Amino acid sequence: GQQVQQSPASLVLQEGENAELQCNFSTSLNSMQWFYQRPGGSLVSLFYNPSGTKHSGRLTSTTVIKERRSSLHISSSQTTDSGTYLCALELGNMGYKLTFGTGTSLLVDP
Amino acid sequence: DAGVTQTPRHEVAEKGQTIILKCEPVSGHNDLFWYRQTKIQGLELLSYFRSKSLMEDGGAFKDRFKAEMLNSSFSTLKIQPTEPKDSAVYLCASSQTGGGQNTLYFGAGTRLSVL
Repeated sequence: GQQVQQSPASLVLQEGENAELQCNFSTSLNSMQWFYQRPGGSLVSLFYNPSGTKHSGRLTSTTVIKERRSSLHISSSQTTDSGTYLCALELGNMGYKLTFGTGTSLLVDP
Repeated sequence: DAGVTQTPRHEVAEKGQTIILKCEPVSGHNDLFWYRQTKIQGLELLSYFRSKSLMEDGGAFKDRFKAEMLNSSFSTLKIQPTEPKDSAVYLCASSQTGGGQNTLYFGAGTRLSVL
């Protein structure tokens, strides 16, 4: 079954609102990464966050291994935040290989 | 520094053709990955190389997909013969192995359409 599940599948916000994206996983992991993909574009790494909380501008990533979840918080959303956000797990005993979630499609309206 | 470079950006093939996609990883990176991305399946791993050695050949993709890494700065993905269901975006990514932050860097992808 699905080892990585992301929620919500899609989200529409008004500019200025906050967003909380979730990634839940069903197996042990070595690390977690969050990526952003602009429509028609490639993936850009946002966070490498195996555990704990990391901040980057308006973005915050929190990974809680014991609870098998990671979240990405976007504060004061902007229209340029629109796109797809994917989480990816490096699974235990698999070497450095990532398993991706299906993504959250975010649309921020002006 | 140059990122991951993929060519061509777009490819149109007839069913049954052979196509070769190319990738140049970030200089100095030891890990190279080929992924396929579709709306339905999301990102699927096709191949994984570490220091030019094939570590993962993608299981279900073995029969018509072959990735090679001829040197540390160049990799190819051959699809032979192509089928319409192969239409997707093919992404190459690289990273630096070892301790610390193993961030994955992606190329812009090759969009393949098989008619």
